[in-house]
Amino acid sequence: AQSVTQPDIHITVSEGASLELRCNYSYGATPYLFWYVQSPGQGLQLLLKYFSGDTLVQGIKGFEAEFKRSQSSFNLRKPSVHWSDAAEYFCAVGDSNTGNQFYFGTGTSLTVIP
Amino acid sequence: DGGITQSPKYLFRKEGQNVTLSCEQNLNHDAMYWYRQDPGQGLRLIYYSQIVNDFQKGDIAEGYSVSREKKESFPLTVTSAQKNPTAFYLCASSIETGQGWNQPQHFGDGTRLSIL
Repeated sequence: AQSVTQPDIHITVSEGASLELRCNYSYGATPYLFWYVQSPGQGLQLLLKYFSGDTLVQGIKGFEAEFKRSQSSFNLRKPSVHWSDAAEYFCAVGDSNTGNQFYFGTGTSLTVIP
Repeated sequence: DGGITQSPKYLFRKEGQNVTLSCEQNLNHDAMYWYRQDPGQGLRLIYYSQIVNDFQKGDIAEGYSVSREKKESFPLTVTSAQKNPTAFYLCASSIETGQGWNQPQHFGDGTRLSIL
């Protein structure tokens, strides 16, 4: 069965430091992978997506993610975190065989300290 | 601007009462989805619909019902059979491009449902 694991429930980083959020997935075929960000009381905003091709994908707000098939991972990175990046981050895998049903991880909450 | 509109933003339910959450999209998307979000549990799929007049149960459909009479609308009813309805509810939509279902889902801003 498809599933997504985000091992880190909560991460705290200093402003200006680098960031890496981990995501591991379980999916039988080539996955469609996504990262979303959620501010408190809001919906989810798409940061980036991977379908095929270049395994390093660029997204909005300076984020990037790397797809590693051998490790079943799709980690999100940012070289320098800004205070406005504090939010909840969700990794998801899409299942094209079931009408684009998405499977979400449980999320990673990011705190940014001055 | 195109997008997904969920209403109301806050909703309160009395014991034994059914309530309906609205979701409207003007993106001309084919598929629509309802998720429930609880702290620490991520998003769990309640129902989804790929085309008008058709929908499928997700992982936690018990106590919920939906309809898809129009492409742009996908209302969710939380029935009295749902014993723990307090949660944040998110509606999403996506498009089928002709190359399969591989596009991102777009989300509304959610409805927070609480029990009185």
